[in-house]
Amino acid sequence: KAGVTQTPRYLIKTRGQQVTLSCSPISGHRSVSWYQQTPGQGLQFLFEYFSETQRNKGNFPGRFSGRQFSNSRSEMNVSTLELGDSALYLCASSLSASYGYTFGSGTRLTVV
Amino acid sequence: ILNVEQSPQSLHVQEGDSTNFTCSFPSSNFYALHWYRWETAKSPEALFVMTLNGDEKKKGRISATLNTKEGYSYLYIKGSQPEDSATYLCAPRNAGNMLTFGGGTRLMVKP
Repeated sequence: KAGVTQTPRYLIKTRGQQVTLSCSPISGHRSVSWYQQTPGQGLQFLFEYFSETQRNKGNFPGRFSGRQFSNSRSEMNVSTLELGDSALYLCASSLSASYGYTFGSGTRLTVV
Repeated sequence: ILNVEQSPQSLHVQEGDSTNFTCSFPSSNFYALHWYRWETAKSPEALFVMTLNGDEKKKGRISATLNTKEGYSYLYIKGSQPEDSATYLCAPRNAGNMLTFGGGTRLMVKP
């Protein structure tokens, strides 16, 4: 079966711009989480969506937002990009809380 | 925000050696403990989800134990192989279904 699909794989943006990343979870998975990894940092939790509702939010500024659609696909938006937003953004989906998460390949965002 | 610590940060072993790593986490508000393996240029892959104190899981040469009362988990690899080279991440999950990842243990197995 198809895995978690993230698009685009790579992205270069200029400071001040905004960006939207997309994540299509495994069919049937309703929980979608987003993580950020920067050089030297571990995976930092951004937010989690379940059935179109944000259930959890990490410690990130309001410039980071997301949403989930009725088909469980999720988008993440970052406005007013800063150099420090350059990172690998990973999306993960899960069938339920009892199962591990399946991660996508990630979107590598570079802000110049 | 949970403080999740993994040790060691990195580890070099010879092929055939057995090794283990530690994950320490606050025992309050604990719901489950996840272990993931993250190979270079790939996505993190789920290894185990553990919930009960004293739980033990095994997958091939890899096994894990969990102590929820004292807040730690051990991951063991028996007879390490070069393909085991990866970063191993632990992540406790709270009742709100939020995962907090540790910094990981980077394992390098020399042939």
